[in-house]
Amino acid sequence: ELKVEQNPLFLSMQEGKNYTIYCNYSTTSDRLYWYRQDPGKSLESLFVLLSNGAVKQEGRLMASLDTKARLSTLHITAAVHDLSATYFCASPPGGYNKLIFGAGTRLAVHP
Amino acid sequence: NAGVTQTPKFRVLKTGQSMTLLCAQDMNHEYMYWYRQDPGMGLRLIHYSVGEGTTAKGEVPDGYNVSRLKKQNFLLGLESAAPSQTSVYFCASSSPIAGKQETQYFGPGTRLLVL
Repeated sequence: ELKVEQNPLFLSMQEGKNYTIYCNYSTTSDRLYWYRQDPGKSLESLFVLLSNGAVKQEGRLMASLDTKARLSTLHITAAVHDLSATYFCASPPGGYNKLIFGAGTRLAVHP
Repeated sequence: NAGVTQTPKFRVLKTGQSMTLLCAQDMNHEYMYWYRQDPGMGLRLIHYSVGEGTTAKGEVPDGYNVSRLKKQNFLLGLESAAPSQTSVYFCASSSPIAGKQETQYFGPGTRLLVL
């Protein structure tokens, strides 16, 4: 069975701290996507990782991909309250960009 | 550009009723998808389409039908709604680019409650 597993599923962080969200997947894809979802809202694309060793950064978020380990990480640097949201990783198991999503990591950043 | 839009935003159905959810995109994307989101389970693919007139099953297709008569529209139908279909439904679209496929763009979602 093709799976995408995220951990932790819930993360309570203090402002200014660093942390990493992990995404393990069982597909053989060389691509991985990260999305952000605010409560009651739609999904917003954060990162598209297209090959082994890919690293992308946007503000306080940095994502990386290791296709050999089938692992992607989303690193949060010096968290701020505005980063509070649910973060999903997703992997395409085959053609046509169909996605299998992880269960999501709910991030809460507090003072 | 409006991107991906969904109609309706919210709907309450009684068990056994039918309804159609409409998704429209103005980005000229080839691929369109319907997902459902349930608490703690992420998004699961219901059906998808890779072009006008084509549809295919995803992970959880039972109880749903779809149609793609026009490139910009993707319809999701529930013929006989069941309480297990209470969920938030998201439509998405994407397009292949030179052999690599870009991210999916999501609509705002439709909240469906089946009593």
